[in-house]
Amino acid sequence: DGGITQSPKYLFRKEGQNVTLSCEQNLNHDAMYWYRQDPGQGLRLIYYSQIVNDFQKGDIAEGYSVSREKKESFPLTVTSAQKNPTAFYLCASSIVWDRDAYGYTFGSGTRLTVV
Amino acid sequence: AQSVSQHNHHVILSEAASLELGCNYSYGGTVNLFWYVQYPGQHLQLLLKYFSGDPLVKGIKGFEAEFIKSKFSFNLRKPSVQWSDTAEYFCAVNGRGANNLFFGTGTRLTVIP
Repeated sequence: DGGITQSPKYLFRKEGQNVTLSCEQNLNHDAMYWYRQDPGQGLRLIYYSQIVNDFQKGDIAEGYSVSREKKESFPLTVTSAQKNPTAFYLCASSIVWDRDAYGYTFGSGTRLTVV
Repeated sequence: AQSVSQHNHHVILSEAASLELGCNYSYGGTVNLFWYVQYPGQHLQLLLKYFSGDPLVKGIKGFEAEFIKSKFSFNLRKPSVQWSDTAEYFCAVNGRGANNLFFGTGTRLTVIP
């Protein structure tokens, strides 16, 4: 079955450490996205990428970094510079040019807790 | 700047009651509009979307939404809710030609049997 796989489901990190969240898709989607979901704040865009080796900052990119070396993969690194990293992180992908088929497919998320 | 407002944070209904969840957006151009649903413990799923044409769009599970351009609104409706509709509902918008979606803060719906 095609879909998006996020791993791990739960992640604990000590303050001051960087941590990388994995996102892999086998949908052949061009675009991939990282969102952060906090209670009462909805989903906020961290980074997105429409093509391999290119990515753009979203609304809350500070303290995060990404790479897009392969079409299938869009890992997110939460750095020690992120002041409030404890959150639920969602990865999504979409077709870029097919309007009729457009819509995001979401992964199941990674819950990151800083201890 | 783009923004999406969902004014109802938590809605509690009895089964068979009618539902209307509000969504207003702010965007300086032509938009695409979406409603997503997140059932407890599950992925976000697309309920319905509006790109153009008939402003009344029908989605899965008996949901529909009406785009009212003059009011910048895209309210979600269902005539008779079921317990299984208990979930969080997100309205989202993107500009025509853009790909990244802007989401509202979500509305939690609790349906009491």
